[in-house]
Amino acid sequence: ETGVTQSPTHLIKTRGQQVTLRCSSQSGHNTVSWYQQALGQGPQFIFQYYREEENGRGNFPPRFSGLQFPNYSSELNVNALELDDSALYLCASSFSGTATDTQYFGPGTRLTVL
Amino acid sequence: DQQVKQNSPSLSVQEGRISILNCDYTNSMFDYFLWYKKYPAEGPTFLISISSIKDKNEDGRFTVFLNKSAKHLSLHIVPSQPGDSAVYFCAASAVQGAQKLVFGQGTRLTINP
Repeated sequence: ETGVTQSPTHLIKTRGQQVTLRCSSQSGHNTVSWYQQALGQGPQFIFQYYREEENGRGNFPPRFSGLQFPNYSSELNVNALELDDSALYLCASSFSGTATDTQYFGPGTRLTVL
Repeated sequence: DQQVKQNSPSLSVQEGRISILNCDYTNSMFDYFLWYKKYPAEGPTFLISISSIKDKNEDGRFTVFLNKSAKHLSLHIVPSQPGDSAVYFCAASAVQGAQKLVFGQGTRLTINP
C-alpha cells in the first residue's frame, strides 16, 4: 500500500504565472484535501474534494482551484501567482471524508514565487 | 483570526522526562481535536485524537487531555525519546460539515540526551 505522494517536490515560478500541483491519494481513499503552509505557520485549509466534487472551501480566492479525478488523484491550480503564494502545499487523503476520519498527508510541494 | 493557538514556539526536554505541549482554541463549534507530528521534508503524521465527549485519550506514551470549559488541550509524552524531536501541531475540526482541520502554529520539541 503506497502512501500519499505529491509532485513536484519543489517549484519556482514568477509572479503572474500559473502553476499545477499534483497529488496521488492513498489506496482506497476517496477524499482529498489541500492545505497551504506558510513559513513558521500551521497548515491552512484550502479546499476538499469528495468523489470528484468540491466538498468545502477555506478562505482562499477563486484563483485557487482544484480537480479530483475518477482514480481519486487530485490537482491544485493557482492562477496569477503572487509573492505571498510562496509556501509548502500539502495534500491529505482520507477514507471517507468524515470529520473523525484520519487524514494522511503527503510530503508537500515547496512553491517559490519570485 | 487565530482560532487554534500554540503559544510556545519551542520546547526543550531531557530524554526520559515528560514533555507537555499546550494548545488553546476559541471556536466553540470545534468538537474533535488532533495532534500531528512533523519531521523535516515530510508531511504531518497523525499522532492521537480526542472527541469533545471525552477529557482524556491515551495511546502508549502519548496522552491527550481536553478541558472544554477552558478551551484548552495538551499532549503529554512520557517518557520522552530522542525520536520525538519534531514539530507538533494541534488541530481542531467540527464534526458537522467538511473535514476541515484548523491548525495551530506548531511547537518545535527538542529532546536532549
